[in-house]
Amino acid sequence: DTGVSQNPRHKITKRGQNVTFRCDPISEHNRLYWYRQTLGQGPEFLTYFQNEAQLEKSRLLSDRFSAERPKGSFSTLEIQRTEQGDSAMYLCASSQDRASTDTQYFGPGTRLTVL
Amino acid sequence: RKEVEQDPGPFNVPEGATVAFNCTYSNSASQSFFWYRQDCRKEPKLLMSVYSSGNEDGRFTAQLNRASQYISLLIRDSKLSDSATYLCVVNVRNKLVFGAGTILRVKS
Repeated sequence: DTGVSQNPRHKITKRGQNVTFRCDPISEHNRLYWYRQTLGQGPEFLTYFQNEAQLEKSRLLSDRFSAERPKGSFSTLEIQRTEQGDSAMYLCASSQDRASTDTQYFGPGTRLTVL
Repeated sequence: RKEVEQDPGPFNVPEGATVAFNCTYSNSASQSFFWYRQDCRKEPKLLMSVYSSGNEDGRFTAQLNRASQYISLLIRDSKLSDSATYLCVVNVRNKLVFGAGTILRVKS
């Protein structure tokens, strides 16, 4: 499978715990994005990387959230001290940095439930 | 006001019907435009890019009007398998901005 992969697919945690999600992009894609989707809404942008550099962060990304892409390949998204409002689907996407195409392809997502 | 606005529906149509979805966007810095399809509890999947000249892919036709900041999607000869949420999406400085989606239900 050469698509975007995400792990875990589902995570249930108690409020106050820390969680970490992983995303593996399509291999030749140098851009990687994180989005969050809640029920009945479209995905909302959180942050994105070009290679290992984090180029932009949304104001939705509070200081409890941190994302890394240390070697420009896979990325992790960590949420510290989870709150019930963090319950959502966390989607990762990747794209190539080419003028001719900027299509983002999404992974299957990690569904987080905070009890 | 949301940056991308869509009618949430649902649109309930019989098989074989033609259905049209519209969307408006507010950010004039939007660079590129897409329709994504999302099935229940799945990730969004690219349906098609949208160009000012209009583009067609089989039963699907998309159109962009930059002056009016308006995007449309037309589905002809609807199939049961077209039932999904259709997300109108604009790319603003490398970030995708999504509408909340329009629900389509095709009934036999």
